[in-house]
Amino acid sequence: RKEVEQDPGPFNVPEGATVAFNCTYSNSASQSFFWYRQDCRKEPKLLMSVYSSGNEDGRFTAQLNRASQYISLLIRDSKLSDSATYLCVVNPNFGNEKLTFGTGTRLTIIP
Amino acid sequence: NAGVTQTPKFRVLKTGQSMTLLCAQDMNHEYMYWYRQDPGMGLRLIHYSVGEGTTAKGEVPDGYNVSRLKKQNFLLGLESAAPSQTSVYFCASSGSSMGLGGYTFGSGTRLTVV
Repeated sequence: RKEVEQDPGPFNVPEGATVAFNCTYSNSASQSFFWYRQDCRKEPKLLMSVYSSGNEDGRFTAQLNRASQYISLLIRDSKLSDSATYLCVVNPNFGNEKLTFGTGTRLTIIP
Repeated sequence: NAGVTQTPKFRVLKTGQSMTLLCAQDMNHEYMYWYRQDPGMGLRLIHYSVGEGTTAKGEVPDGYNVSRLKKQNFLLGLESAAPSQTSVYFCASSGSSMGLGGYTFGSGTRLTVV
């Protein structure tokens, strides 16, 4: 089993819709979790960290489910500018600098 | 506000040639990282540094060397390039350990080894 698994998509979603995708991780001791977005042929950029209690940033909501070992990202009222690849990132061990990046979920918002 | 700057942006090497990729950050970050990104695979950590003068191996260090002589610079060297090293290389820096606070990535170096 991969350390971090994501559905590669593509998710093709009409503008204004709500979309959600999950990411599963294999190491139950994983300590910290993040979502990054990566535009085509660009560098990844931090979208948000994922906290145990869940967190929201505008139209974006991230959740952590430790029991089932997954994190989720919900995007409400999707915009054309949300089209990107969303990378799930996990730190599998406390004190470890070696983050594990998922392969990403590709999202396209359709006008 | 430059952030993280990588040079060069593109390079084509012949098998067996050597080259150095330069990463420079102006945010006074302690932590710096080199990743490679290949199609169908997540970013993989090559080497990293937790401060000036330190380096450590990541997930895929073979065929690469690094140096961090100055806090703001992190160099990645390929001593004898191989076609398997064709990839997009990203440098990242962080002010916190373990990715907390987020990484700032450079714009990448697209390397082709023929």
